[in-house]
Amino acid sequence: IVMTQSPDSLALFLGERATINCKSSRSISYTSNDMNYLAWYQQKPGHPPKLLLYWSSIRDSGVPDRFSGSGSGTDFNLTISSLQAEDVAVYYCQQYYTGRTFGQGTRVEL
Amino acid sequence: EVQLVESGGGLVQPGGSLRLSCAASGFTFINYNMNWVRQAPGKGLEWVSYIGRSGTAASYADSVKGRFNISRDDAKNSLYLQMNSLRDEDTAVYYCTRDKADCGGDCYVDSWGQGTLVIVSS
Repeated sequence: IVMTQSPDSLALFLGERATINCKSSRSISYTSNDMNYLAWYQQKPGHPPKLLLYWSSIRDSGVPDRFSGSGSGTDFNLTISSLQAEDVAVYYCQQYYTGRTFGQGTRVEL
Repeated sequence: EVQLVESGGGLVQPGGSLRLSCAASGFTFINYNMNWVRQAPGKGLEWVSYIGRSGTAASYADSVKGRFNISRDDAKNSLYLQMNSLRDEDTAVYYCTRDKADCGGDCYVDSWGQGTLVIVSS
């Protein structure tokens, strides 16, 4: 399964809404359990990635509620409702429906 | 606190071998599936290999299949990656990662090490 993110980079002002799209080459949702096999990670320069969301919309412990996830099937979004300085990072989606593949990443800048 | 500390990276010539280690602490290692994920300089993330809780299940990315071998020693709370026939394109930071608890074979990562850099160059 190929994961494609858009845009490759995003430059916004503090307080603006950021939306990152992630598309899978085939569905990564199981209809039997209504679950979307998608995770989102944040990677700041010089650091390993950090888990933000799993099952497409569940925030990991300690993740601020300005981060949210949506979508199903092949089309998913990560939204940062009000961009903060500490949100400058590269964001990756990852499917775990079959195997594990990452998107190419989206750089978010101020 | 969960800690994953990688070691064993370095400079190696094409065709050479290297063994990466990951020392785990702060959790019950035997209960978790583990992986290696790599990141080439300035590039994105690539899953490399997975090993299940029992150590009997393992899988590899096509790019490393037949050259890399993942293993674990639960008595030492350690994960390993034996890398043979290394190529220039294997140059990357290699991260030791832990899957979310109670996951099946394919899952997401809830903890990452700081990574160890492998450079394959003549």
